[in-house]
Amino acid sequence: AQSVTQPDIHITVSEGASLELRCNYSYGATPYLFWYVQSPGQGLQLLLKYFSGDTLVQGIKGFEAEFKRSQSSFNLRKPSVHWSDAAEYFCAVDNYNTGKLIFGQGTTLQVKP
Amino acid sequence: EAQVTQNPRYLITVTGKKLTVTCSQNMNHEYMSWYRQDPGLGLRQIYYSMNVEVTDKGDVPEGYKVSRKEKRNFPLILESPSPNQTSLYFCASRARAGGGVFGPGTRLTVL
Repeated sequence: AQSVTQPDIHITVSEGASLELRCNYSYGATPYLFWYVQSPGQGLQLLLKYFSGDTLVQGIKGFEAEFKRSQSSFNLRKPSVHWSDAAEYFCAVDNYNTGKLIFGQGTTLQVKP
Repeated sequence: EAQVTQNPRYLITVTGKKLTVTCSQNMNHEYMSWYRQDPGLGLRQIYYSMNVEVTDKGDVPEGYKVSRKEKRNFPLILESPSPNQTSLYFCASRARAGGGVFGPGTRLTVL
């Protein structure tokens, strides 16, 4: 069965430091992969997506993610974190056959001044 | 503006009183879904629809119904709400190869 694992429940980084959020997936075929962000009291916003092609994907707000098939990973990165990046981040994989998005448990990012 | 709208945004109700949460999208997306979000449990899919008149159960469908009579609308129906359905609900729509647009959420409390 398809699944998504985000190993880190909480991460705290200092403002200006780099960030990497981990995501591992289990999927039989070539996956469609996504990262979403949820600010407090808000809905989810799509940060970036990977369907095929270049394994390094650029997204909004200065985020990028790298697809590594050999590691079944799709980690999210940002070179310099801003206080406004504090939020919950969700990785998701698409079951293309059903259109069903499968989400990880989420990682809460705290940014220290 | 491309968006998914949900109504109501907040609802407090009592056990057993039928309710409907509406969801509408203006992007002509094929896929629509309902999720509930609970602390410690993440996002769990309730139902999804791949097109008009095509719906299927997600991970937690018990106690919920949906319908997809028109492409733009995907209402969530709770025939007899119970306290364990107190949650934050999100509707989402996406094209077949798209990332999806989420609604703002509906916070439901069942007393």
